[in-house]
Amino acid sequence: EDQVTQSPEALRLQEGESSSLNCSYTVSGLRGLFWYRQDPGKGPEFLFTLYSAGEEKEKERLKATLTKKESFLHITAPKPEDSATYLCAVQGAGGGSNYKLTFGKGTLLTVNP
Amino acid sequence: GAGVSQSPRYKVAKRGQDVALRCDPISGHVSLFWYQQALGQGPEFLTYFQNEAQLDKSGLPSDRFFAERPEGSVSTLKIQRTQQEDSAVYLCASSSKDGGGWTQYFGPGTRLLVL
Repeated sequence: EDQVTQSPEALRLQEGESSSLNCSYTVSGLRGLFWYRQDPGKGPEFLFTLYSAGEEKEKERLKATLTKKESFLHITAPKPEDSATYLCAVQGAGGGSNYKLTFGKGTLLTVNP
Repeated sequence: GAGVSQSPRYKVAKRGQDVALRCDPISGHVSLFWYQQALGQGPEFLTYFQNEAQLDKSGLPSDRFFAERPEGSVSTLKIQRTQQEDSAVYLCASSSKDGGGWTQYFGPGTRLLVL
């Protein structure tokens, strides 16, 4: 069974204070690792897909990296508008579940001005 | 619209009532998914459609939950005889391809409260 653990559960930063969110996973054959952002009362908004270890993707102040066991979401010089819950999900190739996403509980990021 | 839409956005039901939640996927998207998100948790898979075929319903919590996508576009998730434990946000997602590795785009969700 695919499993995703995110840490920390909550993170409070000052504006401009860079940090990283962690996503540890176990999966039977990784098809993709996904990062989403979720604002209160809204659905998850797609950020990145990573497919293989060593891959990196960037978007504005966010950079996602992937190893065989974990992924990091690095936030550089965050702004208050980056405050949200960040969700990590995996899509595995084993057991006929090669399409559903298995999510972690998320990291609630708060960036103070 | 360009994204996934869901209706209603909010639904309050009395215990024992039946509810129907609608999802309009992104036009042309083959795959459609339903997820359930409890407060403070990540979304959990309920069921998956490829066009009109329901290929996986292993995540549906009980036989009170039923989903359909008769024409391969709009989908409805129906919950019969609602219970308080059904209170959650129900998210719909669609994807342009079958199989794995393709991005799922989510709608805003329907927040269901069962009293």
